[in-house]
Amino acid sequence: GENVEQHPSTLSVQEGDSAVIKCTYSDSASNYFPWYKQELGKRPQLIIDIRSNVGEKKDQRIAVTLNKTAKHFSLHITETQPEDSAVYFCAASGVTGTASKLTFGTGTRLQVTL
Amino acid sequence: DADVTQTPRNRITKTGKRIMLECSQTKGHDRMYWYRQDPGLGLRLIYYSFDVKDINKGEISDGYSVSRQAQAKFSLSLESAIPNQTALYFCATSDPGRAEAFFGQGTRLTVV
Repeated sequence: GENVEQHPSTLSVQEGDSAVIKCTYSDSASNYFPWYKQELGKRPQLIIDIRSNVGEKKDQRIAVTLNKTAKHFSLHITETQPEDSAVYFCAASGVTGTASKLTFGTGTRLQVTL
Repeated sequence: DADVTQTPRNRITKTGKRIMLECSQTKGHDRMYWYRQDPGLGLRLIYYSFDVKDINKGEISDGYSVSRQAQAKFSLSLESAIPNQTALYFCATSDPGRAEAFFGQGTRLTVV
């Protein structure tokens, strides 16, 4: 089955700086890579996702890059703000059929300090 | 708003007791999942169901069972709870053809 590794486990940045979280996956058949943000005491919520036919995707201050050859993908947050403080999870899956179940990384706790 | 609802939100139970966690959804999704969250371990899949007649084990199904009572309802049972099942449990749903998962609010279970 799929195995997803995520680094770092904790990340502290100053407000305004950039943050990068990296994930690797094992199953070359995976073709969907979402990122979830979980604020304290809340449920995980999708913030951005990318499919394997795309190398990069941006949404305002958030971007995700994918390198299918190396089987890794990354989340980039620019101009970080205190409200970006949360736990971030990467995940990988197929899109259709029985492969469409997400395997998650172990999470990165991001703290944005003033 | 269409949502995924879990009950109870918090539960303390004793070792050896049977407990059921319930999940219902108004999103109209066919696919439902149960995940367990532990600090440092991320979200791990316990069971998943792609329709009412389909039940599949995830990576950590031992000690758990599930029931898909209807398209909108998916329950997780711990037949004989043990302390290392203390965790935060999430139900999730998704649409066929789309892998995006929508999570419930979570159930914090403590086994003493």
